[in-house]
Amino acid sequence: DIQMTQSPSSLSASVGDRVTITCQASQDITNYLSWYQQKPGKAPKLLIYDASNLETGVPSRFSGSGSGTDFTFTISSLQPEDIATYYCQHYDNLPPFTFGQGTKLVIK
Amino acid sequence: EVQLWESGGGLVQPGGSLRLSCAASGFTFSSYAMSWVRQAPGKGLEWVSAISGIGGSAYYGDSVKGRFTISRDNSKNTLYLQMSGLRAEDTAVYYCAKDKVGATFYWDYWGQGTLVTVSS
Repeated sequence: DIQMTQSPSSLSASVGDRVTITCQASQDITNYLSWYQQKPGKAPKLLIYDASNLETGVPSRFSGSGSGTDFTFTISSLQPEDIATYYCQHYDNLPPFTFGQGTKLVIK
Repeated sequence: EVQLWESGGGLVQPGGSLRLSCAASGFTFSSYAMSWVRQAPGKGLEWVSAISGIGGSAYYGDSVKGRFTISRDNSKNTLYLQMSGLRAEDTAVYYCAKDKVGATFYWDYWGQGTLVTVSS
């Protein structure tokens, strides 16, 4: 099974900061990676798919990059409404379609 | 508008059974794979199971294999998860999720979730 290692597990940043989260796959997953945002008590929301494609309606301050085993998720200028937990997830070939452990983002 | 609505959650004793349902609307249900994803209290997301659009292929996570069965009724636009041999560690909010493209196994729409509690 492919393991997804996400870091950091928590992150404190100020409004306007550039925020970066990394996700590492235990083997090559090409670009079969998505990123989700989850706010407390709510279902996850798809932000990025195929490692770098922005989902329709998602603000352009969110972006993703990477391929192979190393991926990055970036918020270019943190907004108060971005406070949430973020997850990466692979969908390469065969299941299980594993999530990273999550990154809890809080305002400093 | 795409809508997914889970039901069937509740309190069940260890070893018991429960069937979750997910009613879908707003898209051609049979054209999309569907999945169940769960989240234990205070924990991260865990993919549980997936089924192809026509229901011919089903996939399971190791933690539920042999105990859970995913199915769908395309005539009723409904997804199911039959859970048996339930354990305390199956306690979680269970979400159904729609595949974004067809059968790529990432998800653009999610239900609101239904809570399953396994406890005596």
